Amino acid sequence: AQKITQTQPGMFVQEKEAVTLDCTYDTSDPSYGLFWYKQPSSGEMIFLIYQGSYDQQNATEGRYSLNFQKARKSANLVISASQLGDSAMYFCAMRGSGYSTLTFGKGTMLLVSP
Amino acid sequence: ETGVTQSPTHLIKTRGQQVTLRCSSQSGHNTVSWYQQALGQGPQFIFQYYREEENGRGNFPPRFSGLQFPNYSSELNVNALELDDSALYLCASSSGQDSLRDEQYFGPGTRLTVT
Repeated sequence: AQKITQTQPGMFVQEKEAVTLDCTYDTSDPSYGLFWYKQPSSGEMIFLIYQGSYDQQNATEGRYSLNFQKARKSANLVISASQLGDSAMYFCAMRGSGYSTLTFGKGTMLLVSP
Repeated sequence: ETGVTQSPTHLIKTRGQQVTLRCSSQSGHNTVSWYQQALGQGPQFIFQYYREEENGRGNFPPRFSGLQFPNYSSELNVNALELDDSALYLCASSSGQDSLRDEQYFGPGTRLTVT
């Protein structure tokens, strides 16, 4: 079984500051992939970043980076230089080697203030 | 390249009725997954279709059923609607590559309200 835990229901950050959204996971699969998605109020899930369990380096995509600590089973999302448009729900998800679909956490609501 | 589209956007049904939700996959994608997202929760996997065959199912009762057509568009059917079926239903398509990295592209969802 796979499980994703996001312990922060909501986070507040000021514009231009960095913010870290926490994600821990549990799986018995030796190889797996970790994803972060953004969900604005419109409802569509927008892919942000991917980290494979055997990737040697932490993933980065523009202002997004993933702080992957395999021994701690954590995959925290770091957003640098927050923008007002970053206000949304953020979901951590994973896919194990025996699965073709994604398991999601409950999400974290991020609010960016001017 | 067109993205994933879903119809209708919103839907209100009465308990006990049946509903059909539709999804058009992104061009070139042969795999579609359906998710249910209750208010304040993350998406929960319902089932997945690959080349018109169901190849994975989550913990949902048989009254949730689906179809995938030769053009890879898809339907989600729910019979005997219950109040707890009220949720955002998300469709996601992917290329079906046997890879952990196979990215799922999501549609905007259909918000179903059961009264």
